[in-house]
Amino acid sequence: GNSVTQMEGPVTLSEEAFLTINCTYTATGYPSLFWYVQYPGEGLQLLLKATKADDKGSNKGFEATYRKETTSFHLEKGSVQVSDSAVYFCALSGNTGGFKTIFGAGTRLFVKA
Amino acid sequence: DVKVTQSSRYLVKRTGEKVFLECVQDMDHENMFWYRQDPGLGLRLIYFSYDVKMKEKGDIPEGYSVSREKKERFSLILESASTNQTSMYLCASSPRKTLLYNEQFFGPGTRLTVL
Repeated sequence: GNSVTQMEGPVTLSEEAFLTINCTYTATGYPSLFWYVQYPGEGLQLLLKATKADDKGSNKGFEATYRKETTSFHLEKGSVQVSDSAVYFCALSGNTGGFKTIFGAGTRLFVKA
Repeated sequence: DVKVTQSSRYLVKRTGEKVFLECVQDMDHENMFWYRQDPGLGLRLIYFSYDVKMKEKGDIPEGYSVSREKKERFSLILESASTNQTSMYLCASSPRKTLLYNEQFFGPGTRLTVL
């Protein structure tokens, strides 16, 4: 079945450091891929998405490229801020899963000033 | 602005009580979902609904039931709460559209503690 694997956290960085959170997926066909972010005390919100191979999703300085050959969708940001401290979830949807979304376990990011 | 609201942010109940968690969305979305979120396990789907009065079991439906009498409202029911149901519960909705772009919109969550 479909699945999403993302790197375990927590990830601790200093402000302005480069961020990478790895995400790989298993799916047949061509799912849509997403990154969601959950700030403390809140629900999840969509950060970015990509719907086909080689698409790049971007938002708020974050980027991720849909790589079908490596079944990956790694999240990157060139310079993190304290306000980026949150939990990040990689997810996939569509394909044979219908309207269901499969989420990774989440990666907690701490950014120190 | 897109909005999913949940009836309570924090709830404390006793073992054996019947618990109702309410979720309302104002986006006219067809699909609604209930998840529970536990550390290290991410989000696990409990139940979902494609339309009014329709429901489908998710990955962990045991001990839960749902009700969708109106399009905008999706209720999660714990018939007899147990301590292992202590968790964060998240409601989400999405438009039917197509299978692609199936972004979900989440409520703020209800942190339920069962004593």
